[in-house]
Amino acid sequence: AQSVTQPDIHITVSEGASLELRCNYSYGATPYLFWYVQSPGQGLQLLLKYFSGDTLVQGIKGFEAEFKRSQSSFNLRKPSVHWSDAAEYFCAVVIISNFGNEKLTFGTGTRLTIIP
Amino acid sequence: GAVVSQHPSRVICKSGTSVKIECRSLDFQATTMFWYRQFPKKSLMLMATSNEGSKATYEQGVEKDKFLINHASLTLSTLTVTSAHPEDSSFYICSARRRINEQFFGPGTRLTVL
Repeated sequence: AQSVTQPDIHITVSEGASLELRCNYSYGATPYLFWYVQSPGQGLQLLLKYFSGDTLVQGIKGFEAEFKRSQSSFNLRKPSVHWSDAAEYFCAVVIISNFGNEKLTFGTGTRLTIIP
Repeated sequence: GAVVSQHPSRVICKSGTSVKIECRSLDFQATTMFWYRQFPKKSLMLMATSNEGSKATYEQGVEKDKFLINHASLTLSTLTVTSAHPEDSSFYICSARRRINEQFFGPGTRLTVL
């Protein structure tokens, strides 16, 4: 079955330090992969997505992610985090449902805490 | 970016009553909207896919008679939790699809059933 795994439930990073959030997927075909951020009171916001082509994807707010087929991974990175990056981050993969619609399957999320 | 709103943002109701949650795409038309449920410290789980002008398709394990979905226009989908029980308390999130593989999410509705 298709699935997305985020091994880290909670990560704490110092402001200005680098960040890497891990995501592994299980999907038979070429996946469509996404990273979303969820802040309190706000809807999920798309950070970046990978469909095909260059495996290093640039997103908003200085985030990037690298698709590695050999490792079934799509890790999110940022070279220097800001206090405003504290939020919940979700990795997701699109699968095609039995009804022909695309269906987003989410990982369990990683909560990012930033310390001064 | 596209904007999706949800109303209400929070609702508290008594057990046995019904609650309606609205999801609107404010600046684009969406033939397809999705309803998710998010438990504390858990991922988003797709409940159903709402298609304008037709019946919603529900994920396995989701009671369609309990979670009524209506997608009467290209900008509005509603989720009605009927005969709500405390175990229905959760965070409900909708999304609207602008094009294939492009969904925009609402801010969510916190439902508390007493």
